[in-house]
Amino acid sequence: DAGVIQSPRHEVTEMGQEVTLRCKPISGHNSLFWYRQTMMRGLELLIYFNNNVPIDDSGMPEDRFSAKMPNASFSTLKIQPSEPRDSAVYFCASSWDRVGETQYFGPGTRLLVL
Amino acid sequence: GNSVTQMEGPVTLSEEAFLTINCTYTATGYPSLFWYVQYPGEGLQLLLKATKADDKGSNKGFEATYRKETTSFHLEKGSVQVSDSAVYFCALGSGSARQLTFGSGTQLTVLP
Repeated sequence: DAGVIQSPRHEVTEMGQEVTLRCKPISGHNSLFWYRQTMMRGLELLIYFNNNVPIDDSGMPEDRFSAKMPNASFSTLKIQPSEPRDSAVYFCASSWDRVGETQYFGPGTRLLVL
Repeated sequence: GNSVTQMEGPVTLSEEAFLTINCTYTATGYPSLFWYVQYPGEGLQLLLKATKADDKGSNKGFEATYRKETTSFHLEKGSVQVSDSAVYFCALGSGSARQLTFGSGTQLTVLP
């Protein structure tokens, strides 16, 4: 298996622009997670999906952030409009739908908002 | 609620030194416990896990034992290598939630 795939790997954009991050989970996994990692705040869970349905989005920082999972093999995280404080590494992870199951992380998207 | 407390870093060791990174947790029920490792510029990778009390997870010379009596899951390695330099995260999964609860991470640097 190719593992969790994220694109782009790097994104540089200007404040106010829309940013879309993409994730393809491991085939067969039915839980998907979006995380944000910064030096100041560490690793934060933004949202997670189970069977394509958003279950907990309490970590989404504000309305500028939105996430979708239109099917079992694709998810997007969108920031509109982007701000410099959104600069971070964004990770997608997937797992089987069981309590305490191992999560498999993608390589991350390094976002820089100027 | 669930929480994980891990040893603050950074930790700097010489090659072949003994490593311990402490991790304690608070959780409802009987959590599964994990150590993840993040190498520079990469995503987190599972290093080892344990799913019940007294289980020992091991991988690549690293070990951790699930101690329910002390609510701990300390990571150890007898002889570290330069290639072990990375950030190590302790995590748990418990209750009805599917998400894992992560510690803050410990930066390890091994010098030749």
